[in-house]
Amino acid sequence: ETGVTQSPTHLIKTRGQQVTLRCSSQSGHNTVSWYQQALGQGPQFIFQYYREEENGRGNFPPRFSGLQFPNYSSELNVNALELDDSALYLCASRTQGVDGYTFGSGTRLTVV
Amino acid sequence: AQSVTQLGSHVSVSEGALVLLRCNYSSSVPPYLFWYVQYPNQGLQLLLKYTSAATLVKGINGFEAEFKKSETSFHLTKPSAHMSDAAEYFCAVSARPSYNQGGKLIFGQGTELSVKP
Repeated sequence: ETGVTQSPTHLIKTRGQQVTLRCSSQSGHNTVSWYQQALGQGPQFIFQYYREEENGRGNFPPRFSGLQFPNYSSELNVNALELDDSALYLCASRTQGVDGYTFGSGTRLTVV
Repeated sequence: AQSVTQLGSHVSVSEGALVLLRCNYSSSVPPYLFWYVQYPNQGLQLLLKYTSAATLVKGINGFEAEFKKSETSFHLTKPSAHMSDAAEYFCAVSARPSYNQGGKLIFGQGTELSVKP
């Protein structure tokens, strides 16, 4: 078991820029979700992908988008960054039939 | 709709004392319930989960939780706190996932546990 790996661990961007965060899931984990965790808050669901298609989305604007690839990796893209996008972004994956997710350590994004 | 309320944003106990972290949920469908722990600058680690089997669930590191449908609660307990238990704890609820749907986790606001020597 190799776990869920996220990169980079920390990132600083300027308001208005675009950012791509990456996640590498365990082999066989065909479902991946992304969460945003603002400081002092619980994680908030952004969206979920199953077999490379989005199949669930939380209350986030379209400038938050994602991709899932056949090799169990995925990306979270955020366009037109705002100061409030500063947060810890967590990737979580699971395999079909398993009830719990495995989380990565997250990417800390700071927008200045 | 589903929601989670964690009572107490901060709990402080002495080493060796009972740990009790409270979680109440709301769900229009039979819930799956989870407790996760988060250490500083790290992701979430699953402590335990309830998925409609036994109502008393045992997890890692000596933690356990009891699902009480009548009280819509899923409180986390540990008989004796250890210094290494100091962390942020999150309760979460989800609907039962099908093979390609669901499984979205709704988290509470978290409870920070401090353990005094």
